[in-house]
Amino acid sequence: QVQLQESGPGLVRPSETLSLTCTVSGGSLTPYYWSWIRQPPGKGLEWIGYIYFSGNTNYNPSLRGRVTMSVDTSKNQFSLRLNSVTAADTATYYCARDLIEGRTIWFDPWGQGTLVTVSS
Amino acid sequence: SYVLTQPPSVSVAPGKTATITCGGNTLGGESVHWYQQKPGQAPVVVISYDGDRPSGIPERFSGSNSGNTATLTISGVEDGDEADYYCQVWDTNSDHPVFGGGTKLTVL
Repeated sequence: QVQLQESGPGLVRPSETLSLTCTVSGGSLTPYYWSWIRQPPGKGLEWIGYIYFSGNTNYNPSLRGRVTMSVDTSKNQFSLRLNSVTAADTATYYCARDLIEGRTIWFDPWGQGTLVTVSS
Repeated sequence: SYVLTQPPSVSVAPGKTATITCGGNTLGGESVHWYQQKPGQAPVVVISYDGDRPSGIPERFSGSNSGNTATLTISGVEDGDEADYYCQVWDTNSDHPVFGGGTKLTVL
């Protein structure tokens, strides 16, 4: 049974870079896509982007330019970097496995999420 | 970007049927997925491909999708069904997934 676990700092200063890692256990990164999704406190879900095990990426246009994702198949991990953060980036960040068939994608399973607060 | 519209809240008495809608332009032509999110927990998919139930999801959960509206139906609602529910599709025009704003289901 595949499980995902996010890790990284819970507090990031404004204008700095948010860095998170998702460790996958119970399964391999291949041949899947893997996403980051965030949820501001009390609000809905926002897809940040996905990365393929080979390294191909696709980012949400609203965040493009600030987002970078990477993958390390040797460690069964993938990572998120979001630069120039502001208070609006305060959210619970989830990693998830993408299931893709044809013209659709859905997410299962998800990590438990990690709250990242942007504050000085 | 594609917009999915959900009612902010739905209330239902235990044992009754809850209906949560998700609206979008020609939504019936897309595959809709539904997630349940209980307080303090990560979302869990309860319906995929409009009406498929993943393993472990009770038969009380069902889904349909036609025209401009997808519907998640929960029959015989239990206290444990109280949660936020999100619909989600792949927006082929912008090439990224989109979530609805979420519906809070309250069991009276």
